Amino acid sequence: SQQGEEDPQALSIQEGENATMNCSYKTSINNLQWYRQNSGRGLVHLILIRSNEREKHSGRLRVTLDTSKKSSSLLITASRAADTASYFCATPPHAGGTSYGKLTFGQGTILTVHP
Amino acid sequence: KAGVTQTPRYLIKTRGQQVTLSCSPISGHRSVSWYQQTPGQGLQFLFEYFSETQRNKGNFPGRFSGRQFSNSRSEMNVSTLELGDSALYLCASSVIAGTRNEQFFGPGTRLTVL
Repeated sequence: SQQGEEDPQALSIQEGENATMNCSYKTSINNLQWYRQNSGRGLVHLILIRSNEREKHSGRLRVTLDTSKKSSSLLITASRAADTASYFCATPPHAGGTSYGKLTFGQGTILTVHP
Repeated sequence: KAGVTQTPRYLIKTRGQQVTLSCSPISGHRSVSWYQQTPGQGLQFLFEYFSETQRNKGNFPGRFSGRQFSNSRSEMNVSTLELGDSALYLCASSVIAGTRNEQFFGPGTRLTVL
């Protein structure tokens, strides 16, 4: 079963608009990560937010985390056609101070940015 | 640094055959994970290797196996292929330091089973 559930499943916007994607998860987490995947290719790590952080920025990306609601959002500002991709949230197992290379991914949001 | 490489990129096999996929992680990364991606099931974790030991395993049948070598390169094997094994197989490497475990993915191997 998927740990993260993304919403919406698909999002279509015009260049210059902002895109917001949401992710909900079920269990306690150490961190939550967002990845991008261009059609049929490998995933690219975008940003990691730790469980004790509420907001994080990276360029045009803004991620928020609400551990009380078990949810996160990814905001892409001033979107470009090149942002067209699938976006996934992912969480590692909660294992105290131990980190693992296992991630549970959500189903993803397909973002289409029209020029 | 060179990124994660996977070979081959594309593979066509028939039912009943077996296949071996290879992954070379980023230099210095000791953790290698494998994922299967299909339109129906999405991204599913197969297994993780760390310092030549399998540390985690997903919910896949025993036909799926893997290993990691002393140079951190990893291979995964699927025996007795089934049509449902057609998928994009992704390998990812990670530093695994403290609470850092973001993963760096290869381009994937597209396996088609006929």
